[in-house]
Formats: sequence, structure tokens, C-alpha cells
Amino acid sequence: KAGVTQTPRYLIKTRGQQVTLSCSPISGHRSVSWYQQTPGQGLQFLFEYFSETQRNKGNFPGRFSGRQFSNSRSEMNVSTLELGDSALYLCASSLDLAGAYNEQFFGPGTRLTVL
Amino acid sequence: QKEVEQNSGPLSVPEGAIASLNCTYSDRGSQSFFWYRQYSGKSPELIMFIYSNGDKEDGRFTAQLNKASQYVSLLIRDSQPSDSATYLCAVYGRDDKIIFGKGTRLHILP
Repeated sequence: KAGVTQTPRYLIKTRGQQVTLSCSPISGHRSVSWYQQTPGQGLQFLFEYFSETQRNKGNFPGRFSGRQFSNSRSEMNVSTLELGDSALYLCASSLDLAGAYNEQFFGPGTRLTVL
Repeated sequence: QKEVEQNSGPLSVPEGAIASLNCTYSDRGSQSFFWYRQYSGKSPELIMFIYSNGDKEDGRFTAQLNKASQYVSLLIRDSQPSDSATYLCAVYGRDDKIIFGKGTRLHILP
């Protein structure tokens, strides 16, 4: 069974631009969560989508948004990029809502560099 | 502000010894606790999860939870060089939001 895939793997953008990242979950998984990982802040939860609906959201500004399609694939968008958005963006999928009792499987991540 | 605290390390342990990784959390209503391993340049992978007070064993790994002290630990027995990685503690709160610690770097000395 194929794992979680993320595209692109690497991305370089300049301040003020916007970016869209894509995540394909493991076949059969209905929940997709997004995380930002930086050396300073560690791994931080962005949001979770389940059945095309955002079910939970972390403490990030509105510049960060996402959506989920009917095939469970998900995209994350960051508008008006700032230098501090440089990070590894990880997507994780789980069979059901990624609550307390569901294992999440992480994708390889997208490394975003903002210049 | 809900927090999950871990010693950043590095924690150096001789091969074959027991590695002990610790994590404290601030939200007393937290429901479940996870340990992830992350190799350099790779994504996190789940090693253990624990919901109830006490110990949970899986092979060389043992997770220990003490909700009264708001403390969770991971013991790795017979440490191997391949165990060298960053270990992330993650906690689910009552609001179903997951909070990760910043991780402890573990280095197993051959």
C-alpha cells in the first residue's frame, strides 16, 4: 500500500508570493492533517480535514488555508509569504478523524524556503 | 497556553544500555500520548501510544504514563545505533488538538 505523498518536495518562493502544497493520503484514509515544522517552534498543528470539511484548526493566521477534495486529497495554501514561513510542511493521514485514538502516518514533507 | 516540554538533549547513551526519554505536559485534561521517532531529514513515525496510567510495552520500547504528575516517558532497552534520532512526545488535549514537544535528540554510542 502506497504511503502518504506530498508534492512538491522542495519549493523556493519570495516574500509576498503565495504557494500551494499538495498531499495525497494513504488509500482509504479520510482524514488529512497539516503541520509546520521549524527548528525554533518544532512541529505545530495547522489544521485537519475530514470528508472535505475542516474539523480542527491550530493557531495560525488566516494566510494559511486548506481544502480537501472528494478523493481525500488535500491542498494547503499560504498567501502573502513571509520569511518566517520557511519550514518543512508535513501532511499526515489517518483512517478516521485524527483524534486521540487514531494513528497518523506522515508524508515526506515539502521544504519551503522563502527568500 | 498548553505546553509539552522535553529536554532537547543530546542524550548520549552507550549501546546496549537503557535510554530514558521524558516529557511533561500542562493540560491536565489530556487524553492520549504518543511517541514519534524522527530521523534526520525524514518525517516522524509513530513508535508508541498510551492512554492509561501505568506502563505499556512493545518490544524494546516501554511507555510510562503518570497523569497525576502529568508526566510521560519512553524507555528504550538494549539501545542500538539505529535508535539514534529525535524523539517527539505528542499529547492530545480535550479539544482534540495535538501538541508536540520540540523533541529530544538521542545519540547511541557504539
